[in-house]
Amino acid sequence: QSALTQPPSASGSPGQSVTISCTGTSSDVGGHNYVSWYQQHPGKAPKLMIYEVSKRPSGVPDRFSGSKSGNTASLTVSGLQAEDEADYYCSSYTDSNNFVFGTGTKVTVL
Amino acid sequence: EVHLVESGGGLVQPGGSLRLSCAASGFTFSNYWMHWVRQAPGEGLVWVSRMKSDGSNTGYADSVKGRFTISRDDAKNTVYLQMNSLRADDTAVYYCTREDVPGGVSNWGQGALVTVSS
Repeated sequence: QSALTQPPSASGSPGQSVTISCTGTSSDVGGHNYVSWYQQHPGKAPKLMIYEVSKRPSGVPDRFSGSKSGNTASLTVSGLQAEDEADYYCSSYTDSNNFVFGTGTKVTVL
Repeated sequence: EVHLVESGGGLVQPGGSLRLSCAASGFTFSNYWMHWVRQAPGEGLVWVSRMKSDGSNTGYADSVKGRFTISRDDAKNTVYLQMNSLRADDTAVYYCTREDVPGGVSNWGQGALVTVSS
């Protein structure tokens, strides 16, 4: 039950786009559409940004979008804003009827 | 408004036990899967355990299987995490969460800090 692989960091200037990858296996990301993304600011609880690969909960800006191809899911943040600077984690349902999180990506707005 | 309030955290020696509680309010507790997620200081999120709405199905991360037990009391709107044989690497903030969308948790508690140290 290894953590999903994410790049440690990503960055972009205000207004630009940044895409974060989340790589798993056919037993988790590739085999299920229950992929979620969370945003976490320092000292705060995580916030759900995307669920079921590409769905946005109410209140999440449409600047946030999700997709999946094979064993890799992606989160794209378009029109970067200062408040988007945070840690981002993916998660996926697994064949073992469990869940697994990604290693996390720190997004910096330059 | 949904509220999840964890309690029971604290300092425990290696090999010891601790039980976390999570009191839920603002929704029909018996209808939802509940999860525990932890985060060691300065580290990432780690899924720990979950229990189905009717208590018939549970799941555990490999790292806690056989040591931790999740349970719930729908009459008290409370989910528990019994943690036995605690190790130093169990030190973390433990979050209680509600799975309110398929595979996703929108509601998180404030977290309970568990420190395993001699």
